[in-house]
Order: sequence, then C-alpha cells, then structure tokens
Amino acid sequence: SQTIHQWPATLVQPVGSPLSLECTVEGTSNPNLYWYRQAAGRGLQLLFYSVGIGQISSEVPQNLSASRPQDRQFILSSKKLLLSDSGFYLCAWALYNEQFFGPGTRLTVL
Amino acid sequence: GQQVMQIPQYQHVQEGEDFTTYCNSSTTLSNIQWYKQRPGGHPVFLIQLVKSGEVKKQKRLTFQFGEAKKNSSLHITATQTTDVGTYFCAGNAGNNRKLIWGLGTSLAVNP
Repeated sequence: SQTIHQWPATLVQPVGSPLSLECTVEGTSNPNLYWYRQAAGRGLQLLFYSVGIGQISSEVPQNLSASRPQDRQFILSSKKLLLSDSGFYLCAWALYNEQFFGPGTRLTVL
Repeated sequence: GQQVMQIPQYQHVQEGEDFTTYCNSSTTLSNIQWYKQRPGGHPVFLIQLVKSGEVKKQKRLTFQFGEAKKNSSLHITATQTTDVGTYFCAGNAGNNRKLIWGLGTSLAVNP
C-alpha cells in the first residue's frame, strides 16, 4: 500500500533563516506531487505541483521554491523565511484525481 | 479565475441533528471530491463523484453531484461527535491535474 511521509512534524524558525521540508512517497511510481499551505482555520492554498522529476509548477509568487530530485521525493525550500510563511504545510500525492495527504509540518516563524 | 464556493463556513449542531454543506463552482467540473480534516489533522479523502446527478452513500453520509456538474452537497444524518471536523469539496476542471478547493465547512457537534 502507499504511504506518504513528511518531516519534521513541527518546526519553529527565526525570521530570515532557511527552510527545507521533505516529503517522500512509498508504494507508487510517478505520482503527481503537491505542496499546500494552510493558515490557521483557513482553506488549502496550492503552492507547487509536480508531474515528474525536475518538473515543478509554481502557483503563487513567493519566497518559497520546490524541487523533485527523485520520483518519490518532493522538497519545499526557502532561503530566508518571512513571518507570513508560518502555517501548516501539507504534501500530497495523486495518481489520478483523488489526493492523499501526508501528516503535515506546522511551521512557526518568529 | 475558477472558484469553488462552500457554505456554510461554520455549523454548530446538537448530536443527532442532520448537517448539510454545499459546494458551488464557477465552472463545470469533471469530478467533485470530498475530504474531511479532523482538528489538528490532515485532509482525508472521502469520496469522488464523476457523473452528472450522481448520488453516493457512505453509512450516514450522502454525497450528490449536480446535473450541471457545477454543484455538490454532503449530507450527514444524525450527527455524532466523531463527525467533528472541516469538510472540504474540491474538483478538477477538464484534464487539469490541479484541484480547485472550497474553503471548507467546519462542523462542531455538541454531545
């Protein structure tokens, strides 16, 4: 069966520090991968999605970037975090339409 | 741009009462999906509807997809405290792999 891993579960970072969040999927090949951000009590904002290795589509201009170095690995990065980057970051995978989410990373930027 | 409106934003019910959330899209959707997010958790896929006018049931949950494939509803009969959470609808337009998400309906259930 397929599983999706995200780490860390929680993260507290100072403003201006770098960020790297990793997501890995097991049990499937060539999935579509997604990064979302969810502010407290709000909906899901699509940040990036990828249909294959090295293929990244950015949805919202921001100081974040994404990379897909391997088929089942998706990384979200920032060189310098802003206060507004705080939120719940969710990685998801899909083969067809339905998406399956990882446990998420709660990021607090102070 | 393409939008999916979801109402109500919040709903507070007594245990045993029914609950319905509605989803309306600005564009025709190729499918509609429903997800549930428990407090502190991540969204979990519940169901997908594809056909015009389709109705599907999962125990006390009934899902409908409108004839024009632009609206959908989720109805919960006799709510329980385990139904607490935020329910999101989301859909694909055409062959686009991105989902258009509603903002969710947060359900609170008083025991």
